[in-house]
Amino acid sequence: DVKVTQSSRYLVKRTGEKVFLECVQDMDHENMFWYRQDPGLGLRLIYFSYDVKMKEKGDIPEGYSVSREKKERFSLILESASTNQTSMYLCASRGLAGVSSYEQYFGPGTRLTVT
Amino acid sequence: AQSVSQHNHHVILSEAASLELGCNYSYGGTVNLFWYVQYPGQHLQLLLKYFSGDPLVKGIKGFEAEFIKSKFSFNLRKPSVQWSDTAEYFCAVNAKSVNTNAGKSTFGDGTTLTVKP
Repeated sequence: DVKVTQSSRYLVKRTGEKVFLECVQDMDHENMFWYRQDPGLGLRLIYFSYDVKMKEKGDIPEGYSVSREKKERFSLILESASTNQTSMYLCASRGLAGVSSYEQYFGPGTRLTVT
Repeated sequence: AQSVSQHNHHVILSEAASLELGCNYSYGGTVNLFWYVQYPGQHLQLLLKYFSGDPLVKGIKGFEAEFIKSKFSFNLRKPSVQWSDTAEYFCAVNAKSVNTNAGKSTFGDGTTLTVKP
């Protein structure tokens, strides 16, 4: 079974703090994604990575950055946390089209509260 | 850019009722289509997917969806829902790319289904 783990289930941070959210997958997937999930807004893509050290902005990248130094690990960084970044953050991974089922596998999520 | 629209934000049904959740997408090219489900307190997981071939696809737990290309739709159906189907359902579209390493999915806003016992 594919497993995607996230470093924390719940996190409380103060405004202005630098926040790191970690995600690890064990299926040797090339693609990894960070979403935020807000009620009524569905999942919105923040960043994705299609290979080590490669990344692309998603739909809402402002205020975030990412790092992928190893294939299995994809980190989301909030440079200076703000209250409007309070949300559920979901990480996902996916293999290559044609050689995998191409579905995304999701982690359990990190509920971040910024006070 | 691709987009996904789910018409129903909250659906309430009694057990044994039939279900249909609407999903329309906007994209001019070839797409892969997915329905994901999130049961209370659990991870998002795949319900079913369409890549090519038969436009009627079957997924887990008796769900099915029909891809109608002319209508840009991929509606989810189940003939008889159960209390355990209470969950949030997300439709997603992934634009196919000649670069198999690329391609991001766009998700709809989600539909919350509540099934009353």
